[in-house]
Amino acid sequence: AQSVTQLGSHVSVSEGALVLLRCNYSSSVPPYLFWYVQYPNQGLQLLLKYTTGATLVKGINGFEAEFKKSETSFHLTKPSAHMSDAAEYFCAVIRQMEYGNKLVFGAGTILRVKS
Amino acid sequence: DAGVIQSPRHEVTEMGQEVTLRCKPISGHDYLFWYRQTMMRGLELLIYFNNNVPIDDSGMPEDRFSAKMPNASFSTLKIQPSEPRDSAVYFCASNRLLMFTEAFFGQGTRLTVV
Repeated sequence: AQSVTQLGSHVSVSEGALVLLRCNYSSSVPPYLFWYVQYPNQGLQLLLKYTTGATLVKGINGFEAEFKKSETSFHLTKPSAHMSDAAEYFCAVIRQMEYGNKLVFGAGTILRVKS
Repeated sequence: DAGVIQSPRHEVTEMGQEVTLRCKPISGHDYLFWYRQTMMRGLELLIYFNNNVPIDDSGMPEDRFSAKMPNASFSTLKIQPSEPRDSAVYFCASNRLLMFTEAFFGQGTRLTVV
């Protein structure tokens, strides 16, 4: 069954520094991958998604992610962190089931941005 | 569209009481999901519906939990009786087509059982 693993439950960067949040997937079929962001006391919001086609996917707020089949990775990056990027980030994959499909999330990575 | 609407935003109840969480999905969406979020277990899918029919309830933790979707614009998640370990944030999400599309989340209900 498809699954994702997020490496690092907490990441801390300085304002203006590169943001790199790691996600590895497991799937025997081409995966459909997502990154979501959750700000404090809010629901989850989609940042970007990969289905088919271009492996470099651009999302909102300057984030992007690259699908690398050879590395089974879908890491999230942003060239320059802003204070407003402080949030929890979730990688997710569509798990294909016999009777339907469901969205399965990783454990999440809390991003802290230092001034 | 106002998005997915959940009520209440916060609920504090005593152990043993019945708790009902409510969700209004986005109009026109076929799928509705209930998730639970805790520090220990992260985001867990409890149950999801397609066209008001429960498809997968394997994530429902115990018989104390039940969910219904009487029509396309309303769903409830009920816990009876509630226990302190049920304290969590419960999210409802919906989307129009399961494959390839994002799920839209409500703002959640923070449940505290004392």
